Amino acid sequence: DVKVTQSSRYLVKRTGEKVFLECVQDMDHENMFWYRQDPGLGLRLIYFSYDVKMKEKGDIPEGYSVSREKKERFSLILESASTNQTSMYLCASSGAGYGYTFGSGTRLTVV
Amino acid sequence: SQQGEEDPQALSIQEGENATMNCSYKTSINNLQWYRQNSGRGLVHLILIRSNEREKHSGRLRVTLDTSKKSSSLLITASRAADTASYFCATTAGEQGAQKLVFGQGTRLTINP
Repeated sequence: DVKVTQSSRYLVKRTGEKVFLECVQDMDHENMFWYRQDPGLGLRLIYFSYDVKMKEKGDIPEGYSVSREKKERFSLILESASTNQTSMYLCASSGAGYGYTFGSGTRLTVV
Repeated sequence: SQQGEEDPQALSIQEGENATMNCSYKTSINNLQWYRQNSGRGLVHLILIRSNEREKHSGRLRVTLDTSKKSSSLLITASRAADTASYFCATTAGEQGAQKLVFGQGTRLTINP
């Protein structure tokens, strides 16, 4: 089974901190994605990547950046965390033409 | 941007009954997928139906796709308490976005014992 592992289930950070959310997949998938999920707003795509060192903006990239130095790892970076970035963050990966495999999610609280 | 719209937003039925959830979308698609999410967890892929397919089965799941109406339905037969979860439809479209999923808001399904 494909596994997508997110490094933290729960995270509490202070406003202004730089935050790294890590995601690792073990099935050699080309595609990786970061979403955030908020009540009433559903899942919104932040960034995605089709290959190593490639990245594409999703629908809500402001305040975020990403890094994909290795195929299996896709990191989401909050440059300066703000309270409106409190959310559930979901990482996913996929091969061509198949469904996504999601990680368990990271619930981030910014105080 | 939201592509899929699920209907109803919430559904509560008795164990053993069938549950039907609907999804409508706005643009032409490559495929449509359904996912389940248990409370506070990540999403689990259930089934994928391609734009040239009309119906697909997987265990107790049946998915239909009507591209002329831009709609899909997910039927769960003989529901169980463990089916209680939120269900999302998601679509991929176009060459550039072929791997990018756009999700609907989801249907919250509750199975009462």
